[in-house]
Amino acid sequence: DSGVTQTPKHLITATGQRVTLRCSPRSGDLSVYWYQQSLDQGLQFLIQYYNGEERAKGNILERFSAQQFPDLHSELNLSSLELGDSALYFCASSPRGRVDGYTFGSGTRLTVV
Amino acid sequence: QKEVEQDPGPLSVPEGAIVSLNCTYSNSAFQYFMWYRQYSRKGPELLMYTYSSGNKEDGRFTAQVDKSSKYISLFIRDSQPSDSATYLCAMSFNNAGNMLTFGGGTRLMVKP
Repeated sequence: DSGVTQTPKHLITATGQRVTLRCSPRSGDLSVYWYQQSLDQGLQFLIQYYNGEERAKGNILERFSAQQFPDLHSELNLSSLELGDSALYFCASSPRGRVDGYTFGSGTRLTVV
Repeated sequence: QKEVEQDPGPLSVPEGAIVSLNCTYSNSAFQYFMWYRQYSRKGPELLMYTYSSGNKEDGRFTAQVDKSSKYISLFIRDSQPSDSATYLCAMSFNNAGNMLTFGGGTRLMVKP
C-alpha cells in the first residue's frame, strides 16, 4: 500500500456522461498530481494542486476539471465523456512537491462505452 | 516527436542476465531523472532518482545519466522473474513541485 488511495478502482460509463474520481494523498503530503495513462499516449500530466490551490496544468481537456479540498483530498471530474477518454487515471502525492517524494496510487481504470 | 523516447519492447531475458534499459530526451533543461517500475494493474513506484549527470547505484540497480548526449540508462544485475514489469523513465526541470515527463515505458520479461 503506497499510502495514496484512489476510488473507485474501476468505472464503466457511457459516452456523454460525467464521472468523479477521488484521491486521498499520503498523510502529510500537500501536493496532489493527476496523470492519465493510455496505450497510445503513455503517462501524461494533467494537473497539480498544492494545499488547495491549482499550481500547474498540463494537457488537460476543458471537459476535465479538478479541485483539492481543505482535508487535502482531491477529485478529478470528467464530463461529456468520449470513447477516447478510456484510460487509467493516476493520482500521485508528494511532500512539498519534491520529485523524489512522488508516490502514486493504484489508479482508476475508466472505460467509456 | 515526443520529449522523452523509450523503446517499448518487450525485452525478454533469461534469469540472471544483466538488463539495460534506456531513454533519450530532447529538452536539455531537464535536471532530475527518475526510473519507475510499474507492475500490471498497479501504479508506478519509484526505483531510482538522480540529479544531473553521473551514476547512482542501489543494490542490483544502477542509473546513469549522460546530459551531454541526453541519454539515461538503468541497469539491472542478476535479473529475477520478479523484475518482470514495465519500466518508465521520468524527468523533471527542478525539484520544487514540477510535473514529471515520462517515457512510454519498456516492458521487461525475465524468464526463469
